[in-house]
Amino acid sequence: EIVLTQSPDFQSLTPKEKVTITCRASQSIGTSLHWYQQKPDQSPKLLIKYASQSISGVPSRFRGSGSGTDFTLTINSLEAEDAAAYYCHQTTSFPYTFGQGTKLEIK
Amino acid sequence: EVQLLESGGGLVQPGGSLRLSCAASGFTFSSYGMSWVRQAPGKGLEWVSSISGSDGSTYYADSVKGRFTISRDNSKNMLYLQMNSLRAEDAAVYYCAKNQWELAPWGQGTLVTVSS
Repeated sequence: EIVLTQSPDFQSLTPKEKVTITCRASQSIGTSLHWYQQKPDQSPKLLIKYASQSISGVPSRFRGSGSGTDFTLTINSLEAEDAAAYYCHQTTSFPYTFGQGTKLEIK
Repeated sequence: EVQLLESGGGLVQPGGSLRLSCAASGFTFSSYGMSWVRQAPGKGLEWVSSISGSDGSTYYADSVKGRFTISRDNSKNMLYLQMNSLRAEDAAVYYCAKNQWELAPWGQGTLVTVSS
């Protein structure tokens, strides 16, 4: 099983700041790594697919990068609406796995 | 517009069974894999099971293997999850998701409570 480890678990920031969330895989997964956003009481929503591919309708301040075992999600110029939990997810092999999540608080 | 609507959740006793359903619309259902993902209260996301669109191959998390069965009815655009021998640790919101490698979109979820 491929283990995904996210850091940090929690971060509290102010609007307009930049945040970087990292996801490390226990073995190489190429770019089969996707990012989701889950706001309170909502279903998860796809933010970035295949490590860096943008998704229609997702604001351009969300950027993904990385390959192999190290990946990052960067949110530029945070907005209040970005308060949410963020998860990475690998689909290179079954069982699919998720990172433990990063909770982002906007002060 | 792609829509996924789960149903079938509820309260069940430990050892009991439940069948979840997911009604899909807005896309050619038979052409896509589908997945179930669950989220225990206050916890993160856990992949449960997937089924391919083409040949119906199925995949399970070790935590549910032998107890849960994923299936689909392409004629009705329906996805199912039969859950048997339920345990307290199976309590969660269960989401279905369209699976083209990445999972998108997700349904609104259905809550399963396991308690005596």
